[in-house]
Amino acid sequence: AQSVSQHNHHVILSEAASLELGCNYSYGGTVNLFWYVQYPGQHLQLLLKYFSGDPLVKGIKGFEAEFIKSKFSFNLRKPSVQWSDTAEYFCAVTANSGGYQKVTFGTGTKLQVIP
Amino acid sequence: EAQVTQNPRYLITVTGKKLTVTCSQNMNHEYMSWYRQDPGLGLRQIYYSMNVEVTDKGDVPEGYKVSRKEKRNFPLILESPSPNQTSLYFCATKLGVGTLHFGNGTRLTVT
Repeated sequence: AQSVSQHNHHVILSEAASLELGCNYSYGGTVNLFWYVQYPGQHLQLLLKYFSGDPLVKGIKGFEAEFIKSKFSFNLRKPSVQWSDTAEYFCAVTANSGGYQKVTFGTGTKLQVIP
Repeated sequence: EAQVTQNPRYLITVTGKKLTVTCSQNMNHEYMSWYRQDPGLGLRQIYYSMNVEVTDKGDVPEGYKVSRKEKRNFPLILESPSPNQTSLYFCATKLGVGTLHFGNGTRLTVT
Protein backbone atom coordinates (compact mmCIF):
# COMPACT_ATOMS: atom_id res chain seq x y z
CA ALA A 1 0.00 0.00 0.00
CA GLN A 2 1.19 3.51 -0.70
CA SER A 3 1.97 6.10 1.92
CA VAL A 4 2.91 9.77 1.97
CA SER A 5 5.16 11.57 4.46
CA GLN A 6 5.27 15.28 5.04
CA HIS A 7 7.99 15.94 7.57
CA ASN A 8 7.34 19.63 8.13
CA HIS A 9 4.23 19.98 10.26
CA HIS A 10 4.37 23.71 10.84
CA VAL A 11 6.46 26.25 8.94
CA ILE A 12 6.71 29.95 9.74
CA LEU A 13 8.21 32.31 7.17
CA SER A 14 8.46 36.01 6.65
CA GLU A 15 7.05 37.51 3.47
CA ALA A 16 9.44 37.25 0.49
CA ALA A 17 11.21 34.25 1.97
CA SER A 18 11.61 31.15 -0.16
CA LEU A 19 9.56 28.06 0.57
CA GLU A 20 10.24 24.38 0.21
CA LEU A 21 7.90 21.79 1.68
CA GLY A 22 8.97 18.19 1.69
CA CYS A 23 6.91 15.25 0.45
CA ASN A 24 8.05 11.67 0.19
CA TYR A 25 5.95 8.76 -0.93
CA SER A 26 6.27 5.04 -0.67
CA TYR A 27 5.08 2.90 -3.56
CA GLY A 28 6.86 0.59 -5.92
CA GLY A 29 4.90 1.32 -9.08
CA THR A 30 3.73 4.21 -11.18
CA VAL A 31 2.23 7.10 -9.27
CA ASN A 32 0.51 10.38 -9.89
CA LEU A 33 1.38 13.17 -7.49
CA PHE A 34 -0.54 16.19 -6.28
CA TRP A 35 -0.29 19.16 -4.00
CA TYR A 36 -3.50 20.55 -2.57
CA VAL A 37 -3.90 23.75 -0.56
CA GLN A 38 -6.47 24.48 2.11
CA TYR A 39 -6.92 28.15 3.01
CA PRO A 40 -8.34 28.84 6.48
CA GLY A 41 -11.96 27.76 6.69
CA GLN A 42 -12.06 26.45 3.14
CA HIS A 43 -11.96 23.14 1.33
CA LEU A 44 -8.95 21.66 -0.42
CA GLN A 45 -8.06 22.99 -3.85
CA LEU A 46 -5.60 21.65 -6.38
CA LEU A 47 -2.30 23.52 -6.50
CA LEU A 48 -0.48 21.37 -9.04
CA LYS A 49 -0.15 17.81 -10.27
CA TYR A 50 2.32 15.48 -11.92
CA PHE A 51 1.27 12.62 -14.17
CA SER A 52 4.22 12.14 -16.51
CA GLY A 53 6.75 14.03 -18.62
CA ASP A 54 8.74 17.01 -17.34
CA PRO A 55 9.39 16.32 -13.66
CA LEU A 56 9.28 20.03 -12.86
CA VAL A 57 5.67 21.10 -12.79
CA LYS A 58 4.30 24.56 -12.34
CA GLY A 59 1.05 25.31 -10.64
CA ILE A 60 -1.06 28.26 -9.71
CA LYS A 61 0.10 31.29 -7.72
CA GLY A 62 3.80 30.79 -8.54
CA PHE A 63 4.14 27.36 -6.94
CA GLU A 64 6.17 24.59 -8.51
CA ALA A 65 7.15 21.06 -7.56
CA GLU A 66 9.82 18.66 -8.70
CA PHE A 67 9.33 14.93 -9.00
CA ILE A 68 12.55 13.07 -8.20
CA LYS A 69 11.85 9.42 -8.83
CA SER A 70 15.09 8.15 -7.30
CA LYS A 71 14.27 9.90 -4.04
CA PHE A 72 10.52 9.17 -4.10
CA SER A 73 10.03 12.87 -3.52
CA PHE A 74 7.74 15.61 -4.79
CA ASN A 75 8.75 18.76 -2.93
CA LEU A 76 6.77 21.97 -3.25
CA ARG A 77 8.60 25.25 -3.80
CA LYS A 78 7.89 28.94 -4.15
CA PRO A 79 10.65 31.54 -4.54
CA SER A 80 8.93 34.30 -2.59
CA VAL A 81 5.94 33.71 -0.32
CA GLN A 82 3.19 36.19 0.41
CA TRP A 83 0.98 36.62 3.44
CA SER A 84 -1.90 35.23 1.36
CA ASP A 85 -0.03 31.90 1.07
CA THR A 86 -0.85 31.19 4.72
CA ALA A 87 -2.65 27.86 4.48
CA GLU A 88 -2.28 24.16 5.03
CA TYR A 89 -0.63 22.20 2.23
CA PHE A 90 -1.25 18.54 1.52
CA CYS A 91 0.75 16.22 -0.67
CA ALA A 92 -1.20 13.33 -2.21
CA VAL A 93 -0.42 10.29 -4.31
CA THR A 94 -2.57 8.06 -6.43
CA ALA A 95 -1.51 4.58 -7.41
CA ASN A 96 -3.16 1.61 -9.00
CA SER A 97 -4.60 -0.66 -6.35
CA GLY A 98 -6.49 -3.56 -7.87
CA GLY A 99 -7.80 -1.41 -10.69
CA TYR A 100 -8.80 1.42 -8.39
CA GLN A 101 -6.84 4.66 -8.22
CA LYS A 102 -6.53 5.04 -4.47
CA VAL A 103 -5.71 8.54 -3.25
CA THR A 104 -3.54 8.83 -0.16
CA PHE A 105 -2.85 12.14 1.56
CA GLY A 106 0.01 13.23 3.75
CA THR A 107 -0.67 14.69 7.17
CA GLY A 108 -0.30 18.24 5.92
CA THR A 109 2.02 21.19 6.55
CA LYS A 110 0.69 24.39 8.05
CA LEU A 111 2.39 27.42 6.57
CA GLN A 112 2.22 30.71 8.39
CA VAL A 113 3.57 33.74 6.55
CA ILE A 114 4.35 36.75 8.70
CA PRO A 115 3.95 40.16 7.05
CA GLU B 1 -20.52 25.84 -12.34
CA ALA B 2 -18.96 22.54 -11.21
CA GLN B 3 -19.98 21.94 -7.63
CA VAL B 4 -19.85 19.45 -4.81
CA THR B 5 -22.45 20.44 -2.25
CA GLN B 6 -22.44 19.18 1.31
CA ASN B 7 -25.08 19.74 3.95
CA PRO B 8 -25.09 20.73 6.68
CA ARG B 9 -21.93 22.84 7.09
CA TYR B 10 -22.06 22.57 10.87
CA LEU B 11 -23.74 19.93 13.02
CA ILE B 12 -23.76 19.41 16.77
CA THR B 13 -25.39 16.22 18.00
CA VAL B 14 -25.41 13.83 20.92
CA THR B 15 -24.00 10.35 21.21
CA GLY B 16 -26.18 7.71 19.59
CA LYS B 17 -28.48 9.98 17.60
CA LYS B 18 -28.44 8.87 13.96
CA LEU B 19 -27.45 11.49 11.42
CA THR B 20 -26.89 11.85 7.70
CA VAL B 21 -24.55 14.23 5.92
CA THR B 22 -25.57 14.74 2.32
CA CYS B 23 -23.29 15.18 -0.68
CA SER B 24 -24.41 16.06 -4.17
CA GLN B 25 -22.42 16.74 -7.34
CA ASN B 26 -23.36 18.20 -10.71
CA MET B 27 -20.36 17.01 -12.72
CA ASN B 28 -21.64 13.54 -13.60
CA HIS B 29 -18.50 12.03 -12.04
CA GLU B 30 -18.62 8.32 -11.38
CA TYR B 31 -16.23 8.39 -8.43
CA MET B 32 -17.23 9.87 -5.09
CA SER B 33 -15.56 9.61 -1.74
CA TRP B 34 -15.79 10.70 1.89
CA TYR B 35 -12.83 11.86 3.97
CA ARG B 36 -12.43 12.98 7.53
CA GLN B 37 -9.83 15.55 8.48
CA ASP B 38 -8.30 15.59 11.94
CA PRO B 39 -5.41 17.73 13.23
CA GLY B 40 -2.08 16.02 12.69
CA LEU B 41 -3.66 13.14 10.78
CA GLY B 42 -4.45 14.81 7.46
CA LEU B 43 -7.28 13.42 5.37
CA ARG B 44 -8.30 9.83 5.80
CA GLN B 45 -10.68 8.09 3.45
CA ILE B 46 -13.85 6.67 4.99
CA TYR B 47 -15.70 5.18 2.02
CA TYR B 48 -15.61 5.55 -1.72
CA SER B 49 -17.87 4.71 -4.63
CA MET B 50 -16.75 3.88 -8.13
CA ASN B 51 -20.27 4.13 -9.55
CA VAL B 52 -23.94 3.71 -8.73
CA GLU B 53 -24.52 0.80 -6.33
CA VAL B 54 -20.74 0.24 -6.04
CA THR B 55 -19.23 1.26 -2.71
CA ASP B 56 -16.20 0.12 -0.77
CA LYS B 57 -14.42 0.79 2.49
CA GLY B 58 -11.58 3.24 2.75
CA ASP B 59 -9.05 3.40 5.55
CA VAL B 60 -11.37 4.32 8.45
CA PRO B 61 -14.87 2.95 7.72
CA GLU B 62 -15.83 1.86 11.24
CA GLY B 63 -18.98 3.58 12.48
CA TYR B 64 -20.01 4.88 9.06
CA LYS B 65 -22.31 3.78 6.26
CA VAL B 66 -22.82 5.11 2.75
CA SER B 67 -25.17 4.52 -0.14
CA ARG B 68 -25.01 5.35 -3.85
CA LYS B 69 -28.46 4.92 -5.32
CA GLU B 70 -27.93 7.57 -7.99
CA LYS B 71 -24.84 9.07 -9.54
CA ARG B 72 -25.17 12.58 -8.14
CA ASN B 73 -25.70 11.74 -4.44
CA PHE B 74 -23.47 10.01 -1.90
CA PRO B 75 -24.75 10.45 1.66
CA LEU B 76 -22.68 9.59 4.72
CA ILE B 77 -24.63 7.95 7.52
CA LEU B 78 -23.63 7.71 11.17
CA GLU B 79 -26.05 5.22 12.72
CA SER B 80 -24.86 5.78 16.30
CA PRO B 81 -22.38 8.66 16.47
CA SER B 82 -19.73 8.71 19.15
CA PRO B 83 -17.46 11.55 20.35
CA ASN B 84 -14.48 10.10 18.44
CA GLN B 85 -16.35 10.87 15.24
CA THR B 86 -16.11 14.58 15.98
CA SER B 87 -14.25 15.79 12.92
CA LEU B 88 -14.31 17.80 9.71
CA TYR B 89 -15.79 15.78 6.87
CA PHE B 90 -15.26 16.31 3.16
CA CYS B 91 -17.00 14.77 0.21
CA ALA B 92 -15.06 14.63 -3.05
CA THR B 93 -15.56 13.55 -6.64
CA LYS B 94 -13.05 12.59 -9.29
CA LEU B 95 -13.08 11.98 -13.01
CA GLY B 96 -10.82 9.10 -13.95
CA VAL B 97 -7.26 9.67 -12.80
CA GLY B 98 -8.03 13.32 -12.46
CA THR B 99 -8.01 15.68 -9.57
CA LEU B 100 -10.35 15.54 -6.61
CA HIS B 101 -13.09 18.14 -6.36
CA PHE B 102 -14.03 18.77 -2.75
CA GLY B 103 -17.16 20.02 -1.10
CA ASN B 104 -17.01 22.82 1.48
CA GLY B 105 -16.90 20.46 4.41
CA THR B 106 -19.13 19.54 7.34
CA ARG B 107 -17.89 20.21 10.85
CA LEU B 108 -19.46 17.59 13.13
CA THR B 109 -19.38 17.71 16.90
CA VAL B 110 -20.67 14.73 18.88
CA THR B 111 -21.14 15.34 22.60
